[in-house]
Parts: sequence; structure tokens; C-alpha cells
Amino acid sequence: QLQLQESGPGLVKPSETLSLTCTVSGGSISSSSYYWGWIRQPPGMGLEWIGSIYYSGSTYYNPSLKSRVTISVDTSKNQFSLKLSSVTAADMAVYYCGRTTTPGYYYYMDVWGKGTTVTVSS
Amino acid sequence: QSVLTQPPSVSAAPGQKVTISCSGSSSNIGNNYVSWYQQLPGTAPKLLISENSKRPSGIPDRFSGSKSGTSATLGITGLQTGDEADYYCGTWDGSLSAVVFGGGTKLTVL
Repeated sequence: QLQLQESGPGLVKPSETLSLTCTVSGGSISSSSYYWGWIRQPPGMGLEWIGSIYYSGSTYYNPSLKSRVTISVDTSKNQFSLKLSSVTAADMAVYYCGRTTTPGYYYYMDVWGKGTTVTVSS
Repeated sequence: QSVLTQPPSVSAAPGQKVTISCSGSSSNIGNNYVSWYQQLPGTAPKLLISENSKRPSGIPDRFSGSKSGTSATLGITGLQTGDEADYYCGTWDGSLSAVVFGGGTKLTVL
């Protein structure tokens, strides 16, 4: 059974870079047809798509975050990662990683991690 | 302000049926598939419906999805107290080149 687990610091200082890793177990991140992505949810609010990556390194990013976001993949570790630079209080959220279809006309995230809470504070 | 519009809340009695609407435009729902997610309190969202109306394995047929024009609808029949959750619709927006979501609908089973 495919499982995903987010990890990383729960506290990040303003203006610094948020770094999270998602470890995939029970399956290979190199599976064809699927992308791997990040979605976040600020406290008490809705879902916001951050971006997705294919095992080859091909990426899609939310244009509203693109200037600050980098998603990378490490197939040898069956992991993919998120970096978000210059964080502010607006970046405080629960960050979810998951398996997705190709961003486009039939996008969905069918397997989700449990999420990790990131707080931005000095 | 979400790109897709959902009612903030809906409610119904156990055993009854409820529908949750998701309204968009030709740049998103009108030309792309819609997915629906259920988020139980304190947990991660779970995929309920993909490609407008497909239920993943393990999702009961009490849950159904449909799309017409620039709107989509999630239907839940035989409501149970365990269905109390937030429900989100999502799709691709070709104008924004981004995945977009509705603001979420809180379902209360009275």
C-alpha cells in the first residue's frame, strides 16, 4: 500500500527558506503516469496547490508561488522535496505531499500524506 | 477568494441526501475534469471523486459526482454522522495554468 510521509522543521523564521521532504513507501517514485506534488492549507482555510514533479524532474508550479518555490526529486531515496524561500506569516500552513496525475485537464491527488504543520515565527 | 465557488455549509438529517455545488468558468470546470475531496476533522483530505464522476476503490456508491457546463455537483445519499466533514472541489484552470480549489463546504449531519 502506497504511503507518503512529510518531514521537516515545524518552525521557520521569517525571510528564511522552508524545506520539507516527502518519503514514498510501498511503491516507486519512478512509476510512470504519476506526478508527485505538494498542497498546503493555512489554518482554518482551504487548499492551495503548490506544485508537482515527475520522477524525471519535470515540474509544474503554481504561478502565484513560482518565484519562491523549488520542487526536486531523489529517485535513489524515493523522496521528493519542497523548498519555499523568503517565507512570511502567510506561508504558515499544513503542508501535504501526495501522488497526483499530470497537472492539467484531469488532475487529482489520489494518495495523500498526513501533513506537517509549519509555523513561521522568529 | 477561491476561483471555484462552493457554499460554505450544508446540512441534512441522517439517512437523507445532500448535494454540494461547485461553480467555476470555462477556463476551469468548463473544460477540465473535476475532483472532490473529503476532509474529516483533523485529518488529511481524501480523494472521493476523480474525473467528474469516478469513485476510487473503497469509496461507497453513496458518493457521486456530476458536471454540467461550468458547474459540478457532489451528491451524498444515506447520510451518516461519519460523513460530517469539509468537502472540496478541485480542477485545472487553463487561464491560470494552475490547479484550483473551491473554498470548501462544511457538511453537518443533524
